[in-house]
Amino acid sequence: DSGVTQTPKHLITATGQRVTLRCSPRSGDLSVYWYQQSLDQGLQFLIQYYNGEERAKGNILERFSAQQFPDLHSELNLSSLELGDSALYFCASSVGTEDYEQYFGPGTRLTVT
Amino acid sequence: GNSVTQMEGPVTLSEEAFLTINCTYTATGYPSLFWYVQYPGEGLQLLLKATKADDKGSNKGFEATYRKETTSFHLEKGSVQVSDSAVYFCALNDYKLSFGAGTTVTVRA
Repeated sequence: DSGVTQTPKHLITATGQRVTLRCSPRSGDLSVYWYQQSLDQGLQFLIQYYNGEERAKGNILERFSAQQFPDLHSELNLSSLELGDSALYFCASSVGTEDYEQYFGPGTRLTVT
Repeated sequence: GNSVTQMEGPVTLSEEAFLTINCTYTATGYPSLFWYVQYPGEGLQLLLKATKADDKGSNKGFEATYRKETTSFHLEKGSVQVSDSAVYFCALNDYKLSFGAGTTVTVRA
């Protein structure tokens, strides 16, 4: 158990819908990262937050957004969902912003039908 | 940009066989290097890491050495078990993790 929690574990929704994925980092970690794992793209970095502020952006679509709240939990919002958004979404956390070990949650499997 | 290339799988081995998974990287500077493992139906677990050239990371019988001259971080285990069946990812950390494509390893009894 990494100490990072993600909810829900599974999510099935229809195209065009909007969903919210939730992540709670390990106690004491200030950075939260979101990654997408799909068969065709592999593991891709989406976005990072550090202590409530956006720190870095990767290959995140404009339809996707995230935020980190004062209690340090984070939410990833996916809207206007397409079939190609079906993937595993992982959250990771670390103590700091650079060159720190990242600990991964169990992931949320999103299926868009 | 920074990137990681790891050997294509799948790899199938018998128990007690020697495992090597090749990983090379392209990076500006000297980022930390990691191996993560993903067991079926689970998230990624940090297996080992190395933060500078010539560092050797080790854990659970797995080892990898950060080789600056060959820009490599190959994963090795001398005697695999059925429980080592998983997907292994090489990664480098330049504020975010950049992952290789993953190598699926299956160990047969």
